[in-house]
Amino acid sequence: GESVGLHLPTLSVQEGDNSIINCAYSNSASDYFIWYKQESGKGPQFIIDIRSNMDKRQGQRVTVLLNKTVKHLSLQIAATQPGDSAVYFCAEKDRGSTLGRLYFGRGTQLTVWP
Amino acid sequence: DGGITQSPKYLFRKEGQNVTLSCEQNLNHDAMYWYRQDPGQGLRLIYYSQIVNDFQKGDIAEGYSVSREKKESFPLTVTSAQKNPTAFYLCASSKGGLAVRMTGELFFGEGSRLTVL
Repeated sequence: GESVGLHLPTLSVQEGDNSIINCAYSNSASDYFIWYKQESGKGPQFIIDIRSNMDKRQGQRVTVLLNKTVKHLSLQIAATQPGDSAVYFCAEKDRGSTLGRLYFGRGTQLTVWP
Repeated sequence: DGGITQSPKYLFRKEGQNVTLSCEQNLNHDAMYWYRQDPGQGLRLIYYSQIVNDFQKGDIAEGYSVSREKKESFPLTVTSAQKNPTAFYLCASSKGGLAVRMTGELFFGEGSRLTVL
């Protein structure tokens, strides 16, 4: 079934299920958010981004939802595959800062079981 | 192919030695960044440069130094003053950096793992 975790460092799902990875932020002035995927021993890879004037953005098999009221960001992965196993980071930028001041969360380790 | 190249991938250092990590990009990006990653933690910004011949301290700059003499290159020196240098170091770049409203992804290299013996 679908596993939902809030502030959990790990998430395990079965292949084919949907995954939801959550991220909370505290800065109400954040205007831009990014999700990254990092496989073991490699650099992070861009997944999807969203600006604060949007609530939802969809990519290929991924959807990012932004709830500014409760300062919550989520990444949904449809039909999770073994290749999706990685650490997923959210990052935020303050509207008064440049892109150089992205702040990254601790990350969530996603494990996909066959 | 365009991208960011970090070297070396693995590096061992004795205490008291300075080491320099290389970062080269051929993406024609203006901005470059250095992050440090420790186990179970998010990325922390060491230094960043938004334009050639200019750079800014990040959140954990103490014990590190950088230079940006060329657009393509942003080397990081881990000095002997860095008290806990063992970590995974990531270099990144982005198209723009000076504009506050600029958004866009950071492109990361494959990282350099530094171990102090």
